[in-house]
Amino acid sequence: GAGVSQSPSNKVTEKGKDVELRCDPISGHTALYWYRQSLGQGLEFLIYFQGNSAPDKSGLPSDRFSAERTGGSVSTLTIQRTQQEDSAVYLCASSLETSGRGYEQYFGPGTRLTVT
Amino acid sequence: GENVEQHPSTLSVQEGDSAVIKCTYSDSASNYFPWYKQELGKRPQLIIDIRSNVGEKKDQRIAVTLNKTAKHFSLHITETQPEDSAVYFCAASMGSSASKIIFGSGTRLSIRP
Repeated sequence: GAGVSQSPSNKVTEKGKDVELRCDPISGHTALYWYRQSLGQGLEFLIYFQGNSAPDKSGLPSDRFSAERTGGSVSTLTIQRTQQEDSAVYLCASSLETSGRGYEQYFGPGTRLTVT
Repeated sequence: GENVEQHPSTLSVQEGDSAVIKCTYSDSASNYFPWYKQELGKRPQLIIDIRSNVGEKKDQRIAVTLNKTAKHFSLHITETQPEDSAVYFCAASMGSSASKIIFGSGTRLSIRP
């Protein structure tokens, strides 16, 4: 079946502009995660959605970052007034659930964001 | 805070030798510990995971050990091969429901021919 997809694959934007990044999780997966990976660095947790529960936003680096998940499926990560330090690969992952055997995360290909 | 520390950041081993990567975590409630492999330009992929009710798990040349008392877990790769060259990430479940996955900073493993 289809895996996690993300769009766009690449985004170049000018400093100060807003951007929206999209994630389509695997159908039926209840958990969805956003991570940020700067060049040569680790996976920085941003936000996590689980079913209809309130999202865990504890990793969002500033109030310029927000995310939503509509209908328990597609998620959009929005970065307002982009800064050069926002340049990174933004990875989305989904998992079937968050207990038992459903923990395994499946990652999307990422969106490479470049802020000029 | 919610933190996973990973060492070393880079590791170079001779082909055929073993590689060991170590991680520590901060949350005593963590109960799930996956390891991901990320090849250059590709997305991370799960290679092995362990839950808190066991101390060791093996899958062919890969093994993971967990010490819950010390909050340590390790990845062991035996008989390393060139295709093992990649960045490896450990992770741990954290948060109020122990379901948020937090990653370590990664280990770049290079296998010398």
